[in-house]
Amino acid sequence: EPEVTQTPSHQVTQMGQEVILRCVPISNHLYFYWYRQILGQKVEFLVSFYNNEISEKSEIFDDQFSVERPDGSNFTLKIRSTKLEDSAMYFCASSEFAGRVKTQYFGPGTRLLVL
Amino acid sequence: DQQVKQNSPSLSVQEGRISILNCDYTNSMFDYFLWYKKYPAEGPTFLISISSIKDKNEDGRFTVFLNKSAKHLSLHIVPSQPGDSAVYFCAASAKYGGATNKLIFGTGTLLAVQP
Repeated sequence: EPEVTQTPSHQVTQMGQEVILRCVPISNHLYFYWYRQILGQKVEFLVSFYNNEISEKSEIFDDQFSVERPDGSNFTLKIRSTKLEDSAMYFCASSEFAGRVKTQYFGPGTRLLVL
Repeated sequence: DQQVKQNSPSLSVQEGRISILNCDYTNSMFDYFLWYKKYPAEGPTFLISISSIKDKNEDGRFTVFLNKSAKHLSLHIVPSQPGDSAVYFCAASAKYGGATNKLIFGTGTLLAVQP
């Protein structure tokens, strides 16, 4: 069964460093998303991406964040200058449609720890 | 942002009995609802969904009921199995004139199925 994959599974970085989180969405999916879950909190939407551009972003997704689909398979989230509060699980998701059937399938996540 | 609420942080059920997980929402623009199951350190796994044009959807042991007038949905698991023990998230999506369908998550309910 096709699945969303994410690398790395864990990332430890120093505050102020740049990190790139990578995702390979399900191959025939057209819509891509990043979410995060800070420990003990709910899963929060960060950004959605369709047709090579951002469709929607949350207030969390400020100028230090960017997303890119550098080729036909990868979808990346870059955090330019990490802060302590960026420590969280980051989930990539993809969906085939954005119409009536909107099921999003999630990857296993990247645990980011900023020291 | 409390648009999706799961008021029970935990639920304990005996194996073979019914598990009922509840979710309330406030945004009347939500038109698609999903339940995800999540194990620690893994991504949310899609379980079942329901469109706002329906009031029930069934898939094997899982049934989701939607009461639009009460803005309430529930997930029934019958019979419950020890492998069902996980955190269950309710999520909702709204269609805003073609914008992509970010998911708004509840805080989750930890289900423990006792053998």
